[in-house]
Amino acid sequence: NAGVTQTPKFQVLKTGQSMTLQCAQDMNHEYMSWYRQDPGMGLRLIHYSVGAGITDQGEVPNGYNVSRSTTEDFPLRLLSAAPSQTSVYFCASSYKGGEEAGYTFGSGTRLTVV
Amino acid sequence: AQKVTQAQTEISVVEKEDVTLDCVYETRDTTYYLFWYKQPPSGELVFLIRRNSFDEQNEISGRYSWNFQKSTSSFNFTITASQVVDSAVYFCALRNPGGFKTIFGAGTRLFVKA
Repeated sequence: NAGVTQTPKFQVLKTGQSMTLQCAQDMNHEYMSWYRQDPGMGLRLIHYSVGAGITDQGEVPNGYNVSRSTTEDFPLRLLSAAPSQTSVYFCASSYKGGEEAGYTFGSGTRLTVV
Repeated sequence: AQKVTQAQTEISVVEKEDVTLDCVYETRDTTYYLFWYKQPPSGELVFLIRRNSFDEQNEISGRYSWNFQKSTSSFNFTITASQVVDSAVYFCALRNPGGFKTIFGAGTRLFVKA
């Protein structure tokens, strides 16, 4: 099993550019989330989804959009990149069978906005 | 509102010492779930353990143990006889029931010196 696959691993953007971070999982997990990790701030929730067609905002949603058209994919779109969005982004998934399920994380995308 | 506090930013120990990582949480829910994750220098995030709010039994897994105390809203993590491979950032996290929003603490960076 591939688990949770994130692409790209590294990306440099210019201010104002847009891009999509891809996330795909092959475990048939219903729950998927996007986090950003910044030094000293831990992981902050951007958006999450409890199933195909259902998404909701997390702690820091501004500047990001998501959609969930299939169970497998949960892309994160940066609408107009800003230097404040320089961060490491993690996608995570878990199954619906129990709320106690821990996340499986992707390997992360390191984004730099110049 | 939910909150997770890891007051220890960095801890440095010598190999074979015992070390405890503190985690204090806040939530208004009576049912909730607590987690610990490990992030080694390679950057991936690894699920270690989860605990339900209605189960205060402590847990031991090899050199790792977890102490959950609802009275003090704490979920502390102890590594016995630490090893260099334990060097990592450790995150404590809290999940609310039903929504699958998981909130993370800022993390504690553990250095284990040989």
